[in-house]
Amino acid sequence: KNEVEQSPQNLTAQEGEFITINCSYSVGISALHWLQQHPGGGIVSLFMLSSGKKKHGRLIATINIQEKHSSLHITASHPRDSAVYICAVNPGAQKLVFGQGTRLTINP
Amino acid sequence: GAGVSQSPSNKVTEKGKDVELRCDPISGHTALYWYRQSLGQGLEFLIYFQGNSAPDKSGLPSDRFSAERTGGSVSTLTIQRTQQEDSAVYLCASSLVPGVPTDTQYFGPGTRLTVL
Repeated sequence: KNEVEQSPQNLTAQEGEFITINCSYSVGISALHWLQQHPGGGIVSLFMLSSGKKKHGRLIATINIQEKHSSLHITASHPRDSAVYICAVNPGAQKLVFGQGTRLTINP
Repeated sequence: GAGVSQSPSNKVTEKGKDVELRCDPISGHTALYWYRQSLGQGLEFLIYFQGNSAPDKSGLPSDRFSAERTGGSVSTLTIQRTQQEDSAVYLCASSLVPGVPTDTQYFGPGTRLTVL
């Protein structure tokens, strides 16, 4: 079993829909990261959080440390949000342990 | 300012050859990471450098893999006697603040390695 599990693996939605991607982890962590990987392959860090909730534009990330669970939400989704979203954790060390990613496709 | 850069962007090599992949981190970033993303697989950690401390090599898959970081800046990942299973995108990342375990990592564009 992977230390970081994401669901769903693939998600297709229509433009404007509210999107939720889930991440569960089984180890103690110092922080959790949400990353975005576009079709060209570049990876961008969206959020880093260790508690509570963060918001940036249409993106919201939440984490529940007790339940070892995080969610990434996208409001008013747009085709340009189409990408692979990756959850990663710092298991008390500098390195990141990654989930398998969620491939999101937003159709116009 | 410039982000993390990697070279080459693509590398095709024959099985058994050695390859060197280069990473230039963001200026002033003291932490540098190497990751690998194999086709159909998630990202996996390879090695981590922090300042002058001994690197964390716990993710290197075999002794054919090695990395060095000269002068606390540029890093080179070397794969000796390449095998087909080494084919992957090799990603480098850097972060700014030493001793802060949760600092944001900035990723380079990656080097796509194909071993024939």
